[in-house]
This record gives sequence, C-alpha cells and structure tokens, in this order.
Amino acid sequence: DIVMTQSPDSLAVSLGERTTINCRSSQSVLYNPNNKNYLAWYQQKPGQPPKVLIYWASTRESGVPDRFSGSGSGTDFTLTISSLQAEDVAVYYCQQYYSTPLTFGGGTKVEI
Amino acid sequence: QVQLVESGGGVVQPGRSLRLSCAASGFTFSTYGMHWVRQAPGKGPEWVAVTSNDGRNKEYADSVKGRFTISRDNSKNTLYLQMSSLRPEDTAVYYCAKVSGIESYMYAFDIWGQGTRVTVSS
Repeated sequence: DIVMTQSPDSLAVSLGERTTINCRSSQSVLYNPNNKNYLAWYQQKPGQPPKVLIYWASTRESGVPDRFSGSGSGTDFTLTISSLQAEDVAVYYCQQYYSTPLTFGGGTKVEI
Repeated sequence: QVQLVESGGGVVQPGRSLRLSCAASGFTFSTYGMHWVRQAPGKGPEWVAVTSNDGRNKEYADSVKGRFTISRDNSKNTLYLQMSSLRPEDTAVYYCAKVSGIESYMYAFDIWGQGTRVTVSS
C-alpha cells in the first residue's frame, strides 16, 4: 500500500497569509507512460463531503479559486494557498489514485 | 445538475447486514467508474471499494474484502454497497464518489454524495 504522509497536522494562519501544506508518498505516484502524477488534493469543511481542489498534482478543478495551487512530482507534493481567506478554514487531504488501495493523507487542519 | 444521493444507512447490530444505495443523476452514469469511501468519526477518508463503469471489474480494501460487495445497475443509475458481518469499526459516514475521467477508474473524485451514516453497535 502507498502511505501518504502530510505535514503539518494543523496550522494557524492570518488572513491574507500564504499557506503551504506538504504531502509525501511512500512510493512514486508518477506514471511514466503519460508523465502524470496520480495525486489529488481535497478540501473538507465540517459536515460536508470532501471537495476536489487539485488533480494530476497541479491541475486546478474548474471553479476553484486561483489562490489554490499544487506542485511536486514523484513522491513530494505541495498545496499552496497564496492568500488565505476566511472561507478556506477546513481540513485538507492529499490522495493518491496511482494504485489500489487508494489512500489519503492524515489531513491538515487550517485555522485562522 | 450532477448529483449523487446515498441512502440506506442506519444503526445495526454487529454481525448483521446492510445495503447502501447511491442514486446518480445529471451525467451518463454508465460511463464512469464509481467508488465508495468511508469516514469514521473524527478521522480522515478511507477508500472502501471501486467498480468499473460496466461493473466487470471490482476492487476492495483489505478491511472489507469478503464482507462487502460493490455493484451497480446502470439501467437504474444506481450504485450499491452490500455490507455483511458488520463490525463496530465499520461505523462511519459512507460516501459514493464519481471519478473524473472515463478511461479507467483511477482518477480523482470530482463528485461526492452527501454521505449516509452507518453505526454498528449492540
């Protein structure tokens, strides 16, 4: 199984500040034939299902604000929120869909 | 509007069975692979099972293999999860999720249902 490790577990950020969340996979999720990283980032607010923000490690889902960006390749990935807004308070998860069992990171709670 | 609506959750005793349903609308259901994901109270999401668009290929998490069965009825636009020999550790909100691509079921999840709660307790 691919283990996904996120850091930090939580962080408190001021409004307008830049926020960075890290995710590391225990093995590469880069599929060489198509050069795609099988990694997604989700945002989950209380009482709601997760919502996809980023897929293929760096492709922003339609409708997601451009302050959210994803980067990285292979085993190390980053979700960046360029200027934190109040509505961004949530738990963020990375997920690999390279192989089954699909696995999620432990989550990063972002607070103001 | 693309939508997934789960139903069938509830309180059940250990060892009993339960069937969850996920009704899909707003997209061509038979084109997409579908997953079940669960989330225990205060925990992160845990992948449970997947079925290909035509129902021929299915995979399961080790924690549910042999106890849970995923299936789909494309004529009814509905996904199912038959759960048997339930254990207290199966207590969670169960979500169905649609994949974002059509070439396989290994894609990010672009649509999630609101979830149905399953509590396994005596």
